Parts: sequence; structure tokens; C-alpha cells
Amino acid sequence: KQEVTQIPAALSVPEGENLVLNCSFTDSAIYNLQWFRQDPGKGLTSLLLIQSSQREQTSGRLNASLDKSSGRSTLYIAASQPGDSATYLCAVRTYSSASKIIFGSGTRLSIRP
Amino acid sequence: NAGVTQTPKFQVLKTGQSMTLQCAQDMNHEYMSWYRQDPGMGLRLIHYSVGAGITDQGEVPNGYNVSRSTTEDFPLRLLSAAPSQTSVYFCASSYSAGANYGYTFGSGTRLTVV
Repeated sequence: KQEVTQIPAALSVPEGENLVLNCSFTDSAIYNLQWFRQDPGKGLTSLLLIQSSQREQTSGRLNASLDKSSGRSTLYIAASQPGDSATYLCAVRTYSSASKIIFGSGTRLSIRP
Repeated sequence: NAGVTQTPKFQVLKTGQSMTLQCAQDMNHEYMSWYRQDPGMGLRLIHYSVGAGITDQGEVPNGYNVSRSTTEDFPLRLLSAAPSQTSVYFCASSYSAGANYGYTFGSGTRLTVV
């Protein structure tokens, strides 16, 4: 059974810092991994999708990496801004359960002005 | 705009009442899912569908029914609402399995059962 873990559960950093959010998964037979952002009381917005054959994906100040062999993904946020404050969730899609995605519990990020 | 549309956005029910949460997508996605999100519990899969006429149970299916008569629609029915079903419900959809396909989520339905 796929299990997805995100550490830390919460993170507070001053504005301008570069930061890394972590996601680990137990079953490395994945199609892809998706990073989402969720603002309080809102829905999920897809940030990046990394295919199993890829090592990383970039979008603006965001960079996501994938290491299937170790069951890890990281989301790197450069030059953080108060507007980046949100909960970040990772989710994986595995070969054994391709019709659904399994979520981690998320990292709640707060950027201090 | 193409996407996943959920209605209603907010709902208050009394214990024992029934209701249907609507979900529609216009992207011709084969896969559709329902999740509930509770504080400290994360997102948990309720039911999912791989195509019209095909549904299956997820992690927390008790108290909910689904059907999928068309590719576009995937309603979630609460037959007899209970306070434990107070939650935020999200519908999501995707093309069938493939490495370059991700899930798109609706904006959610916030349900309170009193």
C-alpha cells in the first residue's frame, strides 16, 4: 500500500529565503508525482507534475525534483514571498492504483514579512 | 473555462437528511474521484470511477453512494447525513493512466451536518 509522508508539517521562514519542502513515498512504481498548493478555505491548485521518467520540473520560482529509487521528491521555492504562504501537498499516482492518487498530509508554509 | 465544477459551494444539513453533491467536468476525462478533507486527516478518497458505468470504493466509502451515467458527471449522494460527515468535499478528474496526466480539482463543497 502506497504511503506518502510530508515533513515538516509546518514551516515558518522570513521573506526572501530559499526553502525546500519534502515528500517521501513507499512504492517507487509510480506514473507521476504532483505538487499542489491550497490556500485556506480554497481548493487545490496544481503547481507541478513530474513524470516518472523525469528528474525535475520548473515553473517560475518553483522547482520540483524526483528521485524514484529513494522514494523522495522535493519542492524548492526560491526567494520566498508572503504570497507563498499556503499548504503544499504532494500526491503520487502508482502503477498498481492508476485510477487514483494518494496524498501526503501537507506542509503548512508561512512566510514572515 | 474548462475544469471541474462542484455545486453547491456550501450546504448545511440536519442529521438524517439526504442530499447530492454535484460534480461535472468538461475535459472528457475518464477518471473521476471524490475526496473529503478533514483537519488532521488530510485528503481521503471516498469513491472513484474509471469511466461511465464503472465505480469503486475508496478509503472511506461508508455513508456515501455514487453513480456515473455519463463521462461528464459524477454525483456523490449522502443517504442519511450524520455529523461525522461534516467536511470539505473535493471532486477531481484526470485522463486515464499515463505519466503525463495529472488530476484537476474542483473548488470544493463545504458541508456542515447539525
